[in-house]
Amino acid sequence: AQKITQTQPGMFVQEKEAVTLDCTYDTSDPSYGLFWYKQPSSGEMIFLIYQGSYDQQNATEGRYSLNFQKARKSANLVISASQLGDSAMYFCAMSLIQGAQKLVFGQGTRLTINP
Amino acid sequence: GAVVSQHPSRVICKSGTSVKIECRSLDFQATTMFWYRQFPKQSLMLMATSNEGSKATYEQGVEKDKFLINHASLTLSTLTVTSAHPEDSSFYICSATQGGVSYGYTFGSGTRLTVV
Repeated sequence: AQKITQTQPGMFVQEKEAVTLDCTYDTSDPSYGLFWYKQPSSGEMIFLIYQGSYDQQNATEGRYSLNFQKARKSANLVISASQLGDSAMYFCAMSLIQGAQKLVFGQGTRLTINP
Repeated sequence: GAVVSQHPSRVICKSGTSVKIECRSLDFQATTMFWYRQFPKQSLMLMATSNEGSKATYEQGVEKDKFLINHASLTLSTLTVTSAHPEDSSFYICSATQGGVSYGYTFGSGTRLTVV
């Protein structure tokens, strides 16, 4: 089984600043994948970034990077140079590589970018 | 990239009727599809996992007879909300994968169900 925890219900950041969204996870399985998704008010789920449990390097995708600290079981999302369009809900999710491979989500963080 | 089409995007139905929601993978074969429910300002709650040609696996607390899931082909899964009641009103969203973590998960655009 797996569990994802996001402890920041809401974050407010000034435009152009960097922001870190926290995510911790819990599993006894050594093989897993961690994902971050953005959900704007329209409801669609937009994939942002992926980190595998065996990946040596932290994942990066444009302005998004994932600060993966395996020993601490954390997978924080860092958004650099935030933009007004980044305002949305952000979800951290996890799937085990073995078994049903179902994707389980954290509670989410609502990010608001102020001009 | 992988695309998942979900229909309808919005539906209003009368209490006691049934509603079917379709989830189609347009450009890949989805070995597994997932159905989620999301209440306002909350996270996505996994309802069930479906594999082509086999019965869906429901999460604990999800009524199998209320939420019927069919995965008849590698590109189509359907969720039928039977005898809908106002408390079934919610945002339902599907996800599909070719092979799990390594391939990633593609989401449909969601269906907002309102039962009156």
